[in-house]
Amino acid sequence: GEDVEQSLFLSVREGDSSVINCTYTDSSSTYLYWYKQEPGAGLQLLTYIFSNMDMKQDQRLTVLLNKKDKHLSLRIADTQTGDSAIYFCAETDSNYQLIWGAGTKLIIKP
Amino acid sequence: DTAVSQTPKYLVTQMGNDKSIKCEQNLGHDTMYWYKQDSKKFLKIMFSYNNKELIINETVPNRFSPKSPDKAHLNLHINSLELGDSAVYFCASSQSGLAKGNEQFFGPGTRLTVL
Repeated sequence: GEDVEQSLFLSVREGDSSVINCTYTDSSSTYLYWYKQEPGAGLQLLTYIFSNMDMKQDQRLTVLLNKKDKHLSLRIADTQTGDSAIYFCAETDSNYQLIWGAGTKLIIKP
Repeated sequence: DTAVSQTPKYLVTQMGNDKSIKCEQNLGHDTMYWYKQDSKKFLKIMFSYNNKELIINETVPNRFSPKSPDKAHLNLHINSLELGDSAVYFCASSQSGLAKGNEQFFGPGTRLTVL
């Protein structure tokens, strides 16, 4: 079945770039997503990328998609303390439902 | 205005009780979902309704029964609560179809604790 994998933790210094990686298995995924969950809060869509794109940039966020390797990454430039959260990668399955990774907790060091 | 709202935000109850969590969306979306987020933060879909009709029902105990009185509401009723039901439950909604990338909007979550 479909599977989405992410590292559970990432620790970076404030001001550095954060790169969160994700691998997925369903090559028919049409959209791939990054969601953010702040402590005690719900999930918020950060960005998504259509499967025929290689890169999408939105202010401090850059999404890179390598379809051959089924690898998706989220780069956050100039990481701030407000970026502390859990970041979820998700893909759509053949029924267009979301398949989720376990989430990567981003820890910001001063 | 809150797009997807859930009540209550926190729910503490004893084993064996029956409880409900309510969800409402004011986005005019056709599809609503319930997710369970376990202690390891893993999100698992439980149910999905499209225009009040059940379209996804994952392997969930039949103690869990979703109810959709109209397409803006999807409530989750749980009978005979067990310790393992303790989790955060998220409601979400989306406009069906691919035009908007099936973006799901999430509620704030309901933290259920079964004692």
